[in-house]
Amino acid sequence: KAGVTQTPRYLIKTRGQQVTLSCSPISGHRSVSWYQQTPGQGLQFLFEYFSETQRNKGNFPGRFSGRQFSNSRSEMNVSTLELGDSALYLCASSWDRISYEQYFGPGTRLTVT
Amino acid sequence: DQQVKQNSPSLSVQEGRISILNCDYTNSMFDYFLWYKKYPAEGPTFLISISSIKDKNEDGRFTVFLNKSAKHLSLHIVPSQPGDSAVYFCAASPYSGGGADGLTFGKGTHLIIQP
Repeated sequence: KAGVTQTPRYLIKTRGQQVTLSCSPISGHRSVSWYQQTPGQGLQFLFEYFSETQRNKGNFPGRFSGRQFSNSRSEMNVSTLELGDSALYLCASSWDRISYEQYFGPGTRLTVT
Repeated sequence: DQQVKQNSPSLSVQEGRISILNCDYTNSMFDYFLWYKKYPAEGPTFLISISSIKDKNEDGRFTVFLNKSAKHLSLHIVPSQPGDSAVYFCAASPYSGGGADGLTFGKGTHLIIQP
């Protein structure tokens, strides 16, 4: 079974730009969650999507948004990029909301200059 | 305020010995605890979990211990193997029923297994 894939793997953007990251979950998984990992803050929950609906959102500004498509693929968007948005963005999928056994993708490394 | 703390950024252990990774939490509402393992250039992998109704859970070489009164959990790896070298994240949630929104992660401990 193919794992969680994220594209692109690396991205360099400048302040003020926007970026869209993509996540393809494991086949059959309906829940997709996004996390931001930084050295200072560790791994922080961004949001979770299930059945094309955002179920919950972490403590991040409105510049961070996302969506999920009918095939469970998900995208997250960050608008008006700031230097502090530089991080590893991880996507995780699970078969249902009740499962903590999430399967993570390799992440997208975003650098904002 | 960091609700889940892994106070050791790194830990070095000799191959064959026991590795003990520690995690402290402050939120008494946390009800479910997990450990994830992360290799470089890969996403974290779920390793083992424990519910607050238990004080111990074993899975092969991995055992997680929970001390609710001390708000402390630990992951024991016995015996330690070179492939165990990775970053280990502790996570906690107030919801035993699942849902990613409740997960709070520690900053991780880098375990290095020395030959």
